[in-house]
Amino acid sequence: GQNIDQPTEMTATEGAIVQINCTYQTSGFNGLFWYQQHAGEAPTFLSYNVLDGLEEKGRFSSFLSRSKGYSYLLLKELQMKDSASYLCAFMDSNYQLIWGAGTKLIIKP
Amino acid sequence: GAVVSQHPSRVICKSGTSVKIECRSLDFQATTMFWYRQFPKQSLMLMATSNEGSKATYEQGVEKDKFLINHASLTLSTLTVTSAHPEDSSFYICSARNLGGGETGELFFGEGSRLTVL
Repeated sequence: GQNIDQPTEMTATEGAIVQINCTYQTSGFNGLFWYQQHAGEAPTFLSYNVLDGLEEKGRFSSFLSRSKGYSYLLLKELQMKDSASYLCAFMDSNYQLIWGAGTKLIIKP
Repeated sequence: GAVVSQHPSRVICKSGTSVKIECRSLDFQATTMFWYRQFPKQSLMLMATSNEGSKATYEQGVEKDKFLINHASLTLSTLTVTSAHPEDSSFYICSARNLGGGETGELFFGEGSRLTVL
């Protein structure tokens, strides 16, 4: 079967670093996506990993280990505007996205 | 970059009426668009996959006669909620994949449409 799991909520301090983990199980895999979603808005694309390793994009980095079915999103130098939900999703063999429930990230001053 | 536009962003209607939501890809062609609904504090739920020039593929549990999808061109898909009821109140979001990125190309989302049925 297919499933994907990420923590429901995390809290971090402004200026700090936070890592949001995502684990998944699937027989067919065509990459993993991370999206940011502010309350009441549509998701916006953050990253896409299809090969193992770390992809860095400014303050955000995303890591993938296909053998472990594991990914994380790393946010550095946290800003208040980073308070949002972060959705991970993998693309299955039919090129459909399977979504996690999202991790609500709360940033405190 | 690629942009997907969704309209209207907010709609309030009376129970029993029908509401149409449009999803347009503004600067790329999308043979496939996706329609999601999202309840408060919940993840995106895929409703259907809209294919240009053919019938939409609905997910299990989604009533195709209630949620009519038309993908008449490579840049436009519409979702019509027929005979809307209060339980249909939700946040509806469309997305499209830029084929320039191949099958695994980036998925772009519309702004979302918040439907409130009184």
